[in-house]
Amino acid sequence: GDSVTQMEGPVTLSEEAFLTINCTYTATGYPSLFWYVQYPGEGLQLLLKATKADDKGSNKGFEATYRKETTSFHLEKGSVQVSDSAVYFCALIYNFNKFYFGSGTKLNVKP
Amino acid sequence: DSGVTQTPKHLITATGQRVTLRCSPRSGDLSVYWYQQSLDQGLQFLIQYYNGEERAKGNILERFSAQQFPDLHSELNLSSLELGDSALYFCASAKASNSPLHFGNGTRLTVT
Repeated sequence: GDSVTQMEGPVTLSEEAFLTINCTYTATGYPSLFWYVQYPGEGLQLLLKATKADDKGSNKGFEATYRKETTSFHLEKGSVQVSDSAVYFCALIYNFNKFYFGSGTKLNVKP
Repeated sequence: DSGVTQTPKHLITATGQRVTLRCSPRSGDLSVYWYQQSLDQGLQFLIQYYNGEERAKGNILERFSAQQFPDLHSELNLSSLELGDSALYFCASAKASNSPLHFGNGTRLTVT
């Protein structure tokens, strides 16, 4: 069935390190893909999105490219900061009511 | 600020009780989703409404019910509460097909 799989955490990095959080999906249609971020004590916030193959979503230094051939939407950031510590969720939606979230990856950035 | 308002922020109640969680979607959004987030951080989809009608159902227990009113706000009713129902309950709203969801800050329910 349809699903989203993302790498398990926690991921611990030093400040200014390169970040990659892997996300792959399974879908029978043509989904839109999203990354959400959840800071402690808060709800999920949309971080970036891509609606078709080869689209690149970007925001706040984070990037992810919609790769249809590998069914992937990996999140990357060139230089993480302590303030990026949060839980990151990969998600897909299609046909309006088919919305799937990955299990979340906790990122800890140490100074 | 996502524009989605959830009340109350915190709720502490005893086993066997019933509670109602409320959600006001973003202005213009017709669709409301409810999610449960347990301590292990996973998000469980409960139910979706679109313009007052139930659109999709996820892992929602029979003890739980929801509705969306004509003014588009939604309520999630949880009854015969058990310790395991303690969690964060999020509401999200969306404007149209394939639009991203916008989340409220959640209601933290503690069942003692």
